[in-house]
Amino acid sequence: EDQVTQSPEALRLQEGESSSLNCSYTVSGLRGLFWYRQDPGKGPEFLFTLYSAGEEKEKERLKATLTKKESFLHITAPKPEDSATYLCAVQEGGGADGLTFGKGTHLIIQP
Amino acid sequence: GAVVSQHPSWVICKSGTSVKIECRSLDFQATTMFWYRQFPKQSLMLMATSNEGSKATYEQGVEKDKFLINHASLTLSTLTVTSAHPEDSSFYICSAREGAGSPLHFGNGTRLTVT
Repeated sequence: EDQVTQSPEALRLQEGESSSLNCSYTVSGLRGLFWYRQDPGKGPEFLFTLYSAGEEKEKERLKATLTKKESFLHITAPKPEDSATYLCAVQEGGGADGLTFGKGTHLIIQP
Repeated sequence: GAVVSQHPSWVICKSGTSVKIECRSLDFQATTMFWYRQFPKQSLMLMATSNEGSKATYEQGVEKDKFLINHASLTLSTLTVTSAHPEDSSFYICSAREGAGSPLHFGNGTRLTVT
């Protein structure tokens, strides 16, 4: 069973059409949930870290929220340059330092 | 901000040869770096955790004799794919953090193609 599940796998929106991406996780003792943006052929670019349920963070047109079971990445009035794959990752409690990633949501914003 | 540089960005090699990939933290020291592999349309899979001055910790299923990791300084980790085969063709990405509690910052990846 995947520990991090992102949905939808792909999403096509018109410019200005707001929507939300979902990240569900099943890990114990969450230390942190991370959102990254990845452009084709590039490494992931850090967006947000969320640590506890109820926490919210914003950056330009993006807002990330966290509950005990999932996180949402809300995108408001997106622009074509927001097109990318958005990755969610979790860091579990315990000694492990690495992140466990979901498969990502491929977002396309059409002008 | 924290910058992680990875080199080369792409490499093509023949089956049976070895390839070395470098990962550098440019403006911070990283006692721990991480190596990931990503297949097309798949998530990043953690291969190993690289610790400065000590042996790397490999994830289950990753052959330590095939993927040699060296972390000789606080700003440099290398991944050597030994005796590469076509099935090793993938996108390899390194990452590092400035300190405990800081987010991971990623390099731009290395596209390895083994012919």
